[in-house]
Amino acid sequence: DQQVKQNSPSLSVQEGRISILNCDYTNSMFDYFLWYKKYPAEGPTFLISISSIKDKNEDGRFTVFLNKSAKHLSLHIVPSQPGDSAVYFCAASTVRRGGSNYKLTFGKGTLLTVNP
Amino acid sequence: AAGVIQSPRHLIKEKRETATLKCYPIPRHDTVYWYQQGPGQDPQFLISFYEKMQSDKGSIPDRFSAQQFSDYHSELNMSSLELGDSALYFCASSFRQGLRSPLHFGNGTRLTVT
Repeated sequence: DQQVKQNSPSLSVQEGRISILNCDYTNSMFDYFLWYKKYPAEGPTFLISISSIKDKNEDGRFTVFLNKSAKHLSLHIVPSQPGDSAVYFCAASTVRRGGSNYKLTFGKGTLLTVNP
Repeated sequence: AAGVIQSPRHLIKEKRETATLKCYPIPRHDTVYWYQQGPGQDPQFLISFYEKMQSDKGSIPDRFSAQQFSDYHSELNMSSLELGDSALYFCASSFRQGLRSPLHFGNGTRLTVT
């Protein structure tokens, strides 16, 4: 049962244009969402996160949007650069009562290719 | 900045052998997580430790065990290895007191079981 879904295995965009990566989740208990970027032979690198109390978080070229009613989030990269080419993972978690440790549940990833 | 260090980067073992993977978290991080990523798959949570105590358990086989030591490094011990254990094993660390702080991952150990 895939609780975090990235339905597009790949996406190709032109340099300078916007990249939009999508993610859906099924567990309504998730309240913290993250995007990670992964290059081959490296571990996932944290990009940006959003708490469920917000609907938008922005960090430079990266913006994450959260639509809780639709259980959907998206990552916008503007402008896209060739160095952004990587696999992007959406991840979600639940902070348990008392703020104790949480684990991340990942989607299967989307391979973004930014063409020069 | 210091990152999560994993060793070894690559490991080749035969069926039924044992393997030990090591993880050194970012300094001052008190929580360690282990993930397994099969070919073309998303990372699957195995187990986590906070302050040397197991804090959460995922899909970790009984043949695997792990612990976190007093210096916060962690080791994942894998026994009676099977071909299906071939995967990339990631360790991540975070600072628990930073509620909703992101996990930072190491570059992984690629385990090949032949």
